[in-house]
Amino acid sequence: SAVISQKPSRDICQRGTSLTIQCQVDSQVTMMFWYRQQPGQSLTLIATANQGSEATYESGFVIDKFPISRPNLTFSTLTVSNMSPEDSSIYLCSVEFGFEGNEQFFGPGTRLTVL
Amino acid sequence: KQEVTQIPAALSVPEGENLVLNCSFTDSAIYNLQWFRQDPGKGLTSLLLIQSSQREQTSGRLNASLDKSSGRSTLYIAASQPGDSATYLCAVNRDDKIIFGKGTRLHILP
Repeated sequence: SAVISQKPSRDICQRGTSLTIQCQVDSQVTMMFWYRQQPGQSLTLIATANQGSEATYESGFVIDKFPISRPNLTFSTLTVSNMSPEDSSIYLCSVEFGFEGNEQFFGPGTRLTVL
Repeated sequence: KQEVTQIPAALSVPEGENLVLNCSFTDSAIYNLQWFRQDPGKGLTSLLLIQSSQREQTSGRLNASLDKSSGRSTLYIAASQPGDSATYLCAVNRDDKIIFGKGTRLHILP
């Protein structure tokens, strides 16, 4: 299995500011995924990050709002820009790993509250 | 468009009972199906992964089955314990797109 850590684990931010969330994996992986989980909801994929290329964003998510970096095969960051209270969510990163390369593992999440 | 439905949305059972959580999906062309556990405010813990060619997987007190043709999966929990209280999510994988159900919130009564 893959072990994933995220920083920060939680934060309370003011409207209009930005927060960068870090995701570190203990193994090299091709793709890393960023999800959002709004209160009481299931997970929604924000984007897929491949090392050495631009992230691929899902419908409804744009790079200006959620810029992503993927500098190497074990690390990625997601920035939530110009935050509003609607951005209050849990943000999770995940990777595909395993014998057949398609089991999903998740980080512990970053709980963001925007005032 | 793939849709994943989990029934029931919430479930409370006394400790020691066996229980079944249900997951259905609309498009049977999947690579795999995965069951997760999520504790409040936390990330997801992978419980069981069933590849599309498999019918079931077992881990300890957990058994997950997959019937691709009917678009259904079940998660069976034997001899439930208060520590099993959590939200259980199923997710289907196709073309590197993971679609999650909304989860079943399980509460085991001591």
